[in-house]
Amino acid sequence: DIQMTQSPSSLSASVGDKVTITCRASQSISSYLNWYQQKLGKAPKLLIFAASSLQSGVPSRFSGRGSGTDFTLTISSLQPEDFATYYCQQSSSIPITFGQGTRLEIK
Amino acid sequence: QVQLQQWGAGQLKSSEILSLTCVVYGGSFSGYYWSWIRQPPGKGLEWIGEINHSGSTNCSPSLKSRVTISIDTSKNQFSLKLISVTAADTAVYFCARRLSAAIDFWGQGTLVTVSS
Repeated sequence: DIQMTQSPSSLSASVGDKVTITCRASQSISSYLNWYQQKLGKAPKLLIFAASSLQSGVPSRFSGRGSGTDFTLTISSLQPEDFATYYCQQSSSIPITFGQGTRLEIK
Repeated sequence: QVQLQQWGAGQLKSSEILSLTCVVYGGSFSGYYWSWIRQPPGKGLEWIGEINHSGSTNCSPSLKSRVTISIDTSKNQFSLKLISVTAADTAVYFCARRLSAAIDFWGQGTLVTVSS
């Protein structure tokens, strides 16, 4: 199985801050990397697919970069609705695997 | 707009069978993988497995011996059965649609609690 490791596990930030979350795969996954946002009690929401493509309807302050084993999700200017948990997920090979999550909290 | 609506028993006892069904409204049923993902309380996401419209399945190796995923294309439904449940299977279970590599639509989630 491909292991996905996110850092940090939690992060405190303020509205307007720029934040970056990192995801590392245990082996190369090309660009088969997606990012999700999950709010408490809700299903995850797809933000970024194929490492850097913005899902329809997702604000442009979200961006993704990377290929191979190292990836980042950046939020350019945090909004109140962005405080949530973020997961990376690889679909390069079965089984599909997720990172452990990064909890983004209000400072 | 694609919507996934799921249902199934929320309270089980150890050794019973977990059974969930998901119906898909809107969009095509073919060309996608229809997935099950779970999330234990306060923890991260775990992929269980998936099926396509032809009935081809993929499953997590750790659950494969206990999981059956089936599909009924005439009803736009797919189902999950997990046998011999234990407390470790307590989780919110989501059905979802995988478009190529990404999971773009999710059901509302069903909390399944297993007690002894």
